[in-house]
Amino acid sequence: DTEVTQTPKHLVMGMTNKKSLKCEQHMGHRAMYWYKQKAKKPPELMFVYSYEKLSINESVPSRFSPECPNSSLLNLHLHALQPEDSALYLCASSHIPGQGIGELFFGEGSRLTVL
Amino acid sequence: QKEVEQNSGPLSVPEGAIASLNCTYSDRGSQSFFWYRQYSGKSPELIMSIYSNGDKEDGRFTAQLNKASQYVSLLIRDSQPSDSATYLCAVSQMNSGYSTLTFGKGTMLLVSP
Repeated sequence: DTEVTQTPKHLVMGMTNKKSLKCEQHMGHRAMYWYKQKAKKPPELMFVYSYEKLSINESVPSRFSPECPNSSLLNLHLHALQPEDSALYLCASSHIPGQGIGELFFGEGSRLTVL
Repeated sequence: QKEVEQNSGPLSVPEGAIASLNCTYSDRGSQSFFWYRQYSGKSPELIMSIYSNGDKEDGRFTAQLNKASQYVSLLIRDSQPSDSATYLCAVSQMNSGYSTLTFGKGTMLLVSP
C-alpha cells in the first residue's frame, strides 16, 4: 500500500466548476510535488513544495492553484479548467537532500476528466 | 536541457527470459537514478534506485550504472507476465530542499506466457 494517499481517485468536472485534489503523506517527508501525466507520456512536474513553501512552479496556468497547509498535506485547487487538462494528476513526496537520495514516492493518482 | 533517453519499445520477451532495459542521460551532474514501473492507468512505483557506479541487485531486479558513459540499465531475470508494464527511467538532480526528477519516455515491456 502506498503511503501517499490521494483523493478523489476519479473526478469529472465541467469547465465552470471549482474542485480540489487532496494529497496526504505520513512518511515525514518535507518535500511534496504535483505532477501531471497524459496518456503514454512521462509525468510532467507542475509544482514543488519544500518545507511548506512553494519552490517550483513550472509555468503552470493560474487555473491550477496549489496549497500546502502543513507538512503532511498538499492540495491542488482547480477552477475553469479546459478539456485538455484531463489527465492523471500525481502527488509525490520525498526526503530533502541530505536525508535521502532523492527518490520520489507517488500516490495512486487522481484521474481528472474535464467536460 | 536535461534529457533522459529510453527506447519506447515494446520490448517483447518470453516468460522466464531476461529483460534488459536501457537508459542514457545528458546531465553529468545527475546524482541519483531510479527505475519506476507503471502499469496502464496506475501511478509509477519505485522498483530500483542506484547512485554509485556498478551493479545493485534486489531480488529479480539488477540496476547497473556507468556514470562515465552516462548509462543506466535494468535487468529483470526470470521475467513474468506480471512484469508487463512501462518502465520509466528517472534521473535526479538534488536542490536545496527538494529533488527534481527528469523522466525518460518509458519502455513498454511485454512478457508472453
